[in-house]
Amino acid sequence: SQQGEEDPQALSIQEGENATMNCSYKTSINNLQWYRQNSGRGLVHLILIRSNEREKHSGRLRVTLDTSKKSSSLLITASRAADTASYFCATSYGQNFVFGPGTRLSVLP
Amino acid sequence: EAEVAQSPRYKITEKSQAVAFWCDPISGHATLYWYRQILGQGPELLVQFQDESVVDDSQLPKDRFSAERLKGVDSTLKIQPAELGDSAMYLCASRDELSSYNEQFFGPGTRLTVL
Repeated sequence: SQQGEEDPQALSIQEGENATMNCSYKTSINNLQWYRQNSGRGLVHLILIRSNEREKHSGRLRVTLDTSKKSSSLLITASRAADTASYFCATSYGQNFVFGPGTRLSVLP
Repeated sequence: EAEVAQSPRYKITEKSQAVAFWCDPISGHATLYWYRQILGQGPELLVQFQDESVVDDSQLPKDRFSAERLKGVDSTLKIQPAELGDSAMYLCASRDELSSYNEQFFGPGTRLTVL
């Protein structure tokens, strides 16, 4: 079974609004990563947060990690139509990566 | 900018036929992954290579799937015979294990349709 589970499965917002996606996992991890996938394309790495970190920022992205709750969130601020994509969390322990089923984000212009 | 190359991008085949996918990772990346992604789901690891050696193939259906990376550079994933349930996107990714960032770089994928 997959380690990470994203929530919600689908999210639709207006351009300019913030989008928040959550990821829960089951076992201890070394780090957690978020990836984006445009329809029919490969995945693109967005941000990595290590198990000893609580929050990281990258441009309009903000990721938090709560290891006590085994959960992470990805916040995209001031969303744009170009942010429309599927977003996946991937948990890592050693060299193995396990992806969740993803959140499909639609940003309406 | 260096990229992971995959071919073909699209493949349509009939069930019971053999298919093969090719991946060329970013130069210098010793770790290579093959994933299968069913529409609407996340990628699932099929096989992981470290140089030419298989590190993890526990999820590879070995009765019909095979993967090789003979010289530790490019890799081939084969399905024989293909079944209807194999229709999916097959993604290749590579990683520089010496990098502290631990990022995987994905290719564009091969979309397989089995009729």
